[in-house]
Amino acid sequence: DTEVTQTPKHLVMGMTNKKSLKCEQHMGHRAMYWYKQKAKKPPELMFVYSYEKLSINESVPSRFSPECPNSSLLNLHLHALQPEDSALYLCASSQDSAQRPWDTEAFFGQGTRLTVV
Amino acid sequence: SQQGEEDPQALSIQEGENATMNCSYKTSINNLQWYRQNSGRGLVHLILIRSNEREKHSGRLRVTLDTSKKSSSLLITASRAADTASYFCATPQTGANNLFFGTGTRLTVIP
Repeated sequence: DTEVTQTPKHLVMGMTNKKSLKCEQHMGHRAMYWYKQKAKKPPELMFVYSYEKLSINESVPSRFSPECPNSSLLNLHLHALQPEDSALYLCASSQDSAQRPWDTEAFFGQGTRLTVV
Repeated sequence: SQQGEEDPQALSIQEGENATMNCSYKTSINNLQWYRQNSGRGLVHLILIRSNEREKHSGRLRVTLDTSKKSSSLLITASRAADTASYFCATPQTGANNLFFGTGTRLTVIP
């Protein structure tokens, strides 16, 4: 199984709502990532988890809250978002690069298209 | 920033022609990767070239890496309409679990 599964595929939420994005992989990868991608732009790294611990937080506003309940699951909790947060949110996973620095191919989910109204 | 720059930003070619995209990056790397993204969807890994490799092939794809110039190129030969997509190079920061993407090239292959 070389899939990363993201749910939901589409999400529309109001600025006062609380919602969560979910990501799951069963490849035994110990590094998992959240990226944000605006239209016609490259993906921007938001968070990295290594062995279920948050290792990188790229100065993301606190209205985005990541969680890694176990080695297969990654969540992104959303609260009080702004319209400018509308984007494609991508989850990815890879082997831990500290163990395999030469081979860090990342597998991506299909993304959640988020619209904040 | 580790992010790379790609050129051209957009490329339009006829089916059957070759397409070449270039990527430049800023710091030392263990490997460089190329990804493809169809419109509004997830990224698909195409090829990974290690820092001690100069050239790599995968089907119709050919990737080169010049670490002295901190640059890489992706060549797609005999292009097809189905190759229409955005192509990104990506570089992991040495010793860290992250992956930074270049600005991307939007390729259109006209049937």
